[in-house]
Amino acid sequence: GQQVMQIPQYQHVQEGEDFTTYCNSSTTLSNIQWYKQRPGGHPVFLIQLVKSGEVKKQKRLTFQFGEAKKNSSLHITATQTTDVGTYFCAGRRRDDKIIFGKGTRLHILP
Amino acid sequence: KAGVTQTPRYLIKTRGQQVTLSCSPISGHRSVSWYQQTPGQGLQFLFEYFSETQRNKGNFPGRFSGRQFSNSRSEMNVSTLELGDSALYLCASSLGRGMNSPLHFGNGTRLTVT
Repeated sequence: GQQVMQIPQYQHVQEGEDFTTYCNSSTTLSNIQWYKQRPGGHPVFLIQLVKSGEVKKQKRLTFQFGEAKKNSSLHITATQTTDVGTYFCAGRRRDDKIIFGKGTRLHILP
Repeated sequence: KAGVTQTPRYLIKTRGQQVTLSCSPISGHRSVSWYQQTPGQGLQFLFEYFSETQRNKGNFPGRFSGRQFSNSRSEMNVSTLELGDSALYLCASSLGRGMNSPLHFGNGTRLTVT
């Protein structure tokens, strides 16, 4: 079963508002990656986090990996209509198996 | 550089049949992994191949199998299809194995089992 909880499942925000999605794993992860999937498209790689407590920024996107390497977050500042899509986290467990969050579907209201 | 190519894009099969899906990775990528995506379960890892060897396997029954050829192209086979196998099947290629490098996904094969 799913071992990475991702919340929220859906998020509607007004354009210009901030957005955050969270992933929580039941086990320690070796690393975590984030992907974005547009409606009808395939997942596209955004970032990889490896170190405990790591924070990375990409323009309006901020990614964090928790100190215990069990949780991660993606924060988008001042959302734009181009941010629409589903954001997934993917983690590699110690046994090398890859586990995904179910994703957060982001809707932007103009 | 060409992206990951999956064929066919759509398939309709009946229960009990078998199906083979194909994935051509990005040139130079030696790792190919397969995933099942459904609205209820999201993305689930099926297996990973690297240098023609299965390196890792998810929690799917033995009806799901795969292989990788010397040119890194991969195929996935599902035998004795069940209604619950209806899903989008995605493959991804990467330079290294085990999610050490970014996964590059294909557009997927949408399988419908009736």
